[in-house]
Amino acid sequence: DAGVIQSPRHEVTEMGQEVTLRCKPISGHNSLFWYRQTMMRGLELLIYFNNNVPIDDSGMPEDRFSAKMPNASFSTLKIQPSEPRDSAVYFCASSLEQNGGTEAFFGQGTRLTVV
Amino acid sequence: AQKVTQAQTEISVVEKEDVTLDCVYETRDTTYYLFWYKQPPSGELVFLIRRNSFDEQNEISGRYSWNFQKSTSSFNFTITASQVVDSAVYFCALIFNNAGNMLTFGGGTRLMVKP
Repeated sequence: DAGVIQSPRHEVTEMGQEVTLRCKPISGHNSLFWYRQTMMRGLELLIYFNNNVPIDDSGMPEDRFSAKMPNASFSTLKIQPSEPRDSAVYFCASSLEQNGGTEAFFGQGTRLTVV
Repeated sequence: AQKVTQAQTEISVVEKEDVTLDCVYETRDTTYYLFWYKQPPSGELVFLIRRNSFDEQNEISGRYSWNFQKSTSSFNFTITASQVVDSAVYFCALIFNNAGNMLTFGGGTRLMVKP
């Protein structure tokens, strides 16, 4: 299996622009997560999907952030408009949720820089 | 409060030394799952181990070992005979029973192994 695939790996954009991050989870996994990693806040969960349905989006910072999962093999995280404080590494992860507590496998991350 | 604490932000050792990374957690749940992840300099997050709260048996995998003690709410990770390739940030994480499959991460411990 190719693992979780994220694109792009690096993104540099100007403040105010729209940014879209993409994720392809591991085939057969039914849960998908978006995490953000910064020096100040560490790894924080933004949103969690189960069977393509958003279950918990309490970590989404504000309305500028939105995430979709139109099917089991694709998800996007969009920031519109972007701000310098959104600069971070964004990770997508997937897992096979069965009886609870299964490990998540992470993509290589997208390093976003907003200037 | 339910959280994970890694009190050691940074550890430096010389190659071949043994090193223990501490992890302490807080939860009211009786069912929960503990994890360790490794983040090497290349940036990806690599799953190392998963334990559930009913299994306090310690585990050894090569030079890695894990000590789970419910009495002290700790899940410590020991690397025996450390190597330069062990240099990374190590994260302890927790899935609480009522949190779906969402990981709550500790702040991470940066391990530097010097030759």
